[in-house]
Amino acid sequence: EVQLVESGGGLVQPGGSLRLSCAASGFTFSSYSMNWVRQAPGKGLEWVAYITSTSGTIYYADSLQGRFTISRDNAKSSLFLRISNLRAEDTAVYYCTRNRPSDRWGQGTLVTVSS
Amino acid sequence: EIVLTQSPGSLSLSPGERATVSCRASQSVSSSYFAWYQHKPGQAPRLLLYGASTRAPGIPDRFSGSGSGTDFTLTISRLEPEDSAVYYCHQYGTSPEYTFGQGTKLEIK
Repeated sequence: EVQLVESGGGLVQPGGSLRLSCAASGFTFSSYSMNWVRQAPGKGLEWVAYITSTSGTIYYADSLQGRFTISRDNAKSSLFLRISNLRAEDTAVYYCTRNRPSDRWGQGTLVTVSS
Repeated sequence: EIVLTQSPGSLSLSPGERATVSCRASQSVSSSYFAWYQHKPGQAPRLLLYGASTRAPGIPDRFSGSGSGTDFTLTISRLEPEDSAVYYCHQYGTSPEYTFGQGTKLEIK
């Protein structure tokens, strides 16, 4: 069974940094591109970042202004998202998703940015 | 950035009726890279359709999609109570930015 399990969310102060992780299982992780998608409270889905299976191509949403870094470790079947200089508007549930389009989603990890 | 605008923002229908959700893109989108998702509270979003009209595995044939260029449509025929959810359109073809519509909330009375 395909599983994507996010972790690393929590309460963070504005200006802080965070590294989210996604543990994948039930499929050949190294064969799939991956994404991060987020949903702020009461808002819709927002695509954040995309990485190909070999990390050869990476895309980010322009609005994120260079504060986000997506990466992966195929040997450990893991996807990561580092977020720096966190702002209140980064408060959201962050989902790890597989493939393009996203055919499998994790349950998400909540990031709350507040002092 | 391609902006996707969905209409209506919400709709309320009875079981057995048909729901139609529209998605208009600010510029032409390849239908090969257009999808629809269903999102229920407390659950992960679920891929319904990709390539504008191809159902994802396990999706009942009550769900169908059509469209090309800038106008796409999701149709749900014979509504069932479990179809209550927010539905999103999504384009994933124009790199480097992929975008979602703002969502359409469907209530089954």
